[in-house]
Amino acid sequence: DAGITQSPRHKVTETGTPVTLRCHQTENHRYMYWYRQDPGHGLRLIHYSYGVKDTDKGEVSDGYSVSRSKTEDFLLTLESATSSQTSVYFCAISGRTGQGDAEQYFGPGTRLTVT
Amino acid sequence: AQRVTQPEKLLSVFKGAPVELKCNYSYSGSPELFWYVQYSRQRLQLLLRHISRESIKGFTADLNKGETSFHLKKPFAQEEDSAMYYCALSGLGAQKLVFGQGTRLTINP
Repeated sequence: DAGITQSPRHKVTETGTPVTLRCHQTENHRYMYWYRQDPGHGLRLIHYSYGVKDTDKGEVSDGYSVSRSKTEDFLLTLESATSSQTSVYFCAISGRTGQGDAEQYFGPGTRLTVT
Repeated sequence: AQRVTQPEKLLSVFKGAPVELKCNYSYSGSPELFWYVQYSRQRLQLLLRHISRESIKGFTADLNKGETSFHLKKPFAQEEDSAMYYCALSGLGAQKLVFGQGTRLTINP
């Protein structure tokens, strides 16, 4: 579990403000993902990364951007937060370098509230 | 298109009773199926995957390609099984997972 951390763990912010969530891994996994978890919707993929500076959109990417400047860190940015982005955000990793394995390992989550 | 359906949002059973959480999928190729579990306020963790054919915490799941199902079963539920359960699918060789909506399982004493 200690191999994946998220910061902050909790955040309350106002509508219209920018927010950045950080995912950090020490497992040297190639792939990283950002999900949001909402009641009735389960887990939905926002963006993912398949390598440094290589990212792609997921199912619910509108209003979100990501960056990955090094293997360890994957940042999720809400450029202008809206109340509909109130959610619990999970980071996940998979595919230790050189291995093709779809099993994903999850971070502890970030609870974001947009007022 | 890949899709995972968990028809029950909530499931409540008594301790000691059998439990079955349903998962149906839609995928044209060879899928890889997973069950993840999330205990209260904890991170998601892998419970089992069909290729390993293991039994974890007494749970089993069999991939039925004819019925496109991957139901999770346990013969005797325990209170500590209360949690949120997610079924997920990956295409063979792919990395991304598609998750179902989840089933919240409550085991009553």
